[in-house]
Parts: sequence; structure tokens; C-alpha cells
Amino acid sequence: AQTVTQSQPEMSVQEAETVTLSCTYDTSESDYYLFWYKQPPSRQMILVIRQEAYKQQNATENRFSVNFQKAAKSFSLKISDSQLGDAAMYFCAYRSAPMETSGSRLTFGEGTQLTVNP
Amino acid sequence: ETGVTQTPRHLVMGMTNKKSLKCEQHLGHNAMYWYKQSAKKPLELMFVYNFKEQTENNSVPSRFSPECPNSSHLFLHLHTLQPEDSALYLCASSQGPGALSYGYTFGSGTRLTVV
Repeated sequence: AQTVTQSQPEMSVQEAETVTLSCTYDTSESDYYLFWYKQPPSRQMILVIRQEAYKQQNATENRFSVNFQKAAKSFSLKISDSQLGDAAMYFCAYRSAPMETSGSRLTFGEGTQLTVNP
Repeated sequence: ETGVTQTPRHLVMGMTNKKSLKCEQHLGHNAMYWYKQSAKKPLELMFVYNFKEQTENNSVPSRFSPECPNSSHLFLHLHTLQPEDSALYLCASSQGPGALSYGYTFGSGTRLTVV
């Protein structure tokens, strides 16, 4: 079974600075997808960024980018120019690529609570 | 508008009560999911439905009973719950196995308190 580990329960960053959230995962599969979700106080989980394992290029979405190290099974999220609205719980998630329905589950890490200080 | 709507937003129930959580999506997704989110723990997958058929039950106690009458609606029927069942219950939908590169669309959850 796949597992996802986020070793930083809490992180803080000054507004306009850069912060990196860590995520590691364990899998025997070669093809899969990785995601970062954000959960603000409104509770809705919002997709921030996704990465296909077969792509070597790191995904980027505006101020959000990832550092995907497939061999090391590491998938960190970098937030540049942090804003107050970035404060939230961030979850790393893994999804298998097999076509069977049972392989479509998302496995989540424990989450990292990000605080942005003005 | 999130695309996935969950009701009620908050629910307080006694251990002998029977209640139901509702989830609705009109995104054209084929798969729907129930997750349990407890403090300090990863999200726990409870049930998976694909084209109205249950494809996964993650060893969930029988006091939780899901129902999926169609691809747009998902219910979680609750009865004789325990205090440790208090948590945030999240519903999600996705386009199913054919669109694995996409994540899920989540609702805002139901905050359940069992007293």
C-alpha cells in the first residue's frame, strides 16, 4: 500500500517570503500522480498543483511550484511571495495510475498547517 | 459554488439518533467518495462509488451506511454512532479512472459531533 508522509506539522512564513513544504511517499509503482491540496478555514479542499510521475519537468502554477524527485520519492511544494490568503492546511496526496477502479483512490499525508505572518 | 455541495454543514447528534449526510455534484463526474477527517490524522477513505456501484468499503463499521442512488448524489446514513465518530466528513467526486491525472473536487464537509 502507498503511504504519504508530511514531516512538518506546522510551518510559518513572513508575508512576501518563500516557504517550502515537504512530502515523501512510498510506492512500488512507476506511474502515478501527486497532488498538493490546500484546506483553508472554510474547510473545502482546493487543488493547488499536480504532477504526473512520468514527467521530469516540475509542475508550476503561478506562485506555486514543486520539486519532484522521483528516485528519492520526494514531492515538496514551494510557495513564493507568500500572501496572507495562503494560510491554510496543506495536504500532499498520491494517486495510482492503474485503470482499475480500485486504483483511483487518493492517499493523503497528515497535513502541514501553514501560518503567514504580516 | 464549489461544484460539490454537502448538507448539513454542521450536525450534532446523540448516540441513539439516526441521521443522514447528503452530497450532490453536477460536474458530470462518475465517481464519488466519502472521507473522514479527524484531528491530527490523515484523511481516511471510507467508501468509493463508481457509476453508482460501490467499489470500495475501507473496513468501515456498519453504523455508517452509504447510498448512491445516481451518479450525482451520495448519502451517508448514520445510526448508533460513538463519540469517536465525531469528525469532519468530506465528500468528493472525480471523473473516474479514465481521468486519473485529475484530482478530486471536494465539498466543504459536514462537521459531525456525537454526544
